This record gives sequence, C-alpha cells and structure tokens, in this order.
Amino acid sequence: DTGVSQNPRHKITKRGQNVTFRCDPISEHNRLYWYRQTLGQGPEFLTYFQNEAQLEKSRLLSDRFSAERPKGSFSTLEIQRTEQGDSAMYLCASSSTVGRPSDYNEQFFGPGTRLTVL
Amino acid sequence: DQQVKQNSPSLSVQEGRISILNCDYTNSMFDYFLWYKKYPAEGPTFLISISSIKDKNEDGRFTVFLNKSARHLSLHIVPSQPGDSAVYFCAARDAGNMLTFGGGTRLMVKP
Repeated sequence: DTGVSQNPRHKITKRGQNVTFRCDPISEHNRLYWYRQTLGQGPEFLTYFQNEAQLEKSRLLSDRFSAERPKGSFSTLEIQRTEQGDSAMYLCASSSTVGRPSDYNEQFFGPGTRLTVL
Repeated sequence: DQQVKQNSPSLSVQEGRISILNCDYTNSMFDYFLWYKKYPAEGPTFLISISSIKDKNEDGRFTVFLNKSARHLSLHIVPSQPGDSAVYFCAARDAGNMLTFGGGTRLMVKP
C-alpha cells in the first residue's frame, strides 16, 4: 500500500458543471476525511466518515456538495453546479482507530485534487 | 474566527542553524497538536505531534514544545537542512476528529 491516492489530480471545469473526485484511503483505515485548501491558507475540514457512516459535516459543506463512502473503502466527493469560489485543492486523508493508540490521531493525506472552475 | 494561527508567513534560516516555527491557538478544548510539512503539488505529510498532557516531544532533529497556559506551540528543527524547505502547518484536534489548521509558514533553508 502506497498511501492515500486521489483522482483526478487536476480538474478544470466550467461554471455550472458537476464534478466528482475519488479518494482511496490507506488499506484498513476506517476513518476518511475531506478537506479543502485555498491559496495561502491551511486545509479546512469538510466532512469525515467512520467506515461507511458520515459522522460530521462542516458548515462549509453546502447543499451542492455531497460525499459518500458506500462500502467503507473509497470515497467520492461530488460538487454540483460548480461556482468559481469552489476552485481549490481538495484533500483527502485517512486514519485508523485500530492498532496502536499512538497512531489514532495521525491523519495521512493524499496528494489532492486541484479544481479550477472557469 | 481563526482558532489556530501561524503569525509568520515565512521564515528564512541558514543551513545548520535552528529553525523555530510558532503556532498559537484559542480553543482550550484542543487536546492534540500536530505539525505537517507540505511540498508544492503534494499533500501535507505528518511530521510530529504532541498530546496536551505533555510539554515536549522529540523525534530526531524535530522537537515540538507545548505551553498550554500560553496556548502556544513551537516546532524546532536542529540542524536545519535545505531539504527542510517547505510550508509547515500546525494543526489541532478537539474532542471531535477534525483537524483545525493554521495558515502555514514557508520555511526556506539557505545553503
């Protein structure tokens, strides 16, 4: 296992189009997180899953955003009717609550999907 | 309302010297703190962490100090190397599971 992977790495779309990103976490990590990062800022939390259950959503996650993790493995993040303000890097991270307690708090990030909305 | 702040957007240090990156937080409920390093076009990479019950954690050239009364933490890198040049983010976790990040500090280590 080479870590968290995200696809696509880059996405350019026109305003009003729908986009979907995929995240594959580290194998056997039961927690999966989505963050958004804009230029010059730190990542901002969007939502997280434990297995297939979506347990927390940020107020940043508007109705146009939906995330799923249907089988508790990979996750998708869909943005409907994209707006120029959605342009950002979308980061996925995973962590585990199984194994060494010292590992519980560490979230491992993927390379991100950079979205540009024209 | 920024709960985690890194007030220095950039820091330049000579190779071999100490780099000190600072981070302040306002939420007293944060119980775990982490430092991440980020290179361009890559996701953040975990570097070192500290629990709120400790005041120091060391891992090789990296040491994190936590001052709970001042709600301040710092990352020390000794000795600094050119490969350490990157953006460093501090992050904090509360009873939930999300991380709250600072805005980052760009470290440049000059040879």
